[in-house]
Amino acid sequence: DQQVKQNSPSLSVQEGRISILNCDYTNSMFDYFLWYKKYPAEGPTFLISISSIKDKNEDGRFTVFLNKSAKHLSLHIVPSQPGDSAVYFCAALTSGTYKYIFGTGTRLKVLA
Amino acid sequence: EPEVTQTPSHQVTQMGQEVILRCVPISNHLYFYWYRQILGQKVEFLVSFYNNEISEKSEIFDDQFSVERPDGSNFTLKIRSTKLEDSAMYFCASTRQGPGRDTQYFGPGTRLTVL
Repeated sequence: DQQVKQNSPSLSVQEGRISILNCDYTNSMFDYFLWYKKYPAEGPTFLISISSIKDKNEDGRFTVFLNKSAKHLSLHIVPSQPGDSAVYFCAALTSGTYKYIFGTGTRLKVLA
Repeated sequence: EPEVTQTPSHQVTQMGQEVILRCVPISNHLYFYWYRQILGQKVEFLVSFYNNEISEKSEIFDDQFSVERPDGSNFTLKIRSTKLEDSAMYFCASTRQGPGRDTQYFGPGTRLTVL
């Protein structure tokens, strides 16, 4: 039962261009969403989050967009840098629970 | 910057053996989590722990698994009788406040290999 899906296993982008990573979810009870970045041999690192009462949250080069009607969120990275090359996971949470549900991840490669 | 640490970084064990994976969460954090990631697959929630008891667990977290905070700093995951399918990366995480209110900090993980 994959409640959180990242349909693109990989993405390549030129340095300086925009990276757009997508995530879809099926559970309408989710009301908090997060993006994590993961380098090999390290744990996930929190990037940015968004509550379901918002449709956009921005932090520096990172912006997360939430489309509740489509049950879709996306992470935009502008401009992309080679150091952004990593696996990106989206995760979702229902308020009042502790169970973060992760997607399968998208491997981003930023080409210099 | 404070960080979550995990030991060992790699544990190899024989099927049927017990293993204990150790984590030291960030010192002023109150909520603790274990996740696992089977190679190439998604990160899966196992269990959350708050106020010295399990607050939530997943279907994966069966009777073979247990968690403990034996002292003020360590948080452990025990697998009583390991199976081949327990081979995975196990990540510990902690937060100061409850879920959705605070950033979850992850440790570097322990790679468990069951032979």
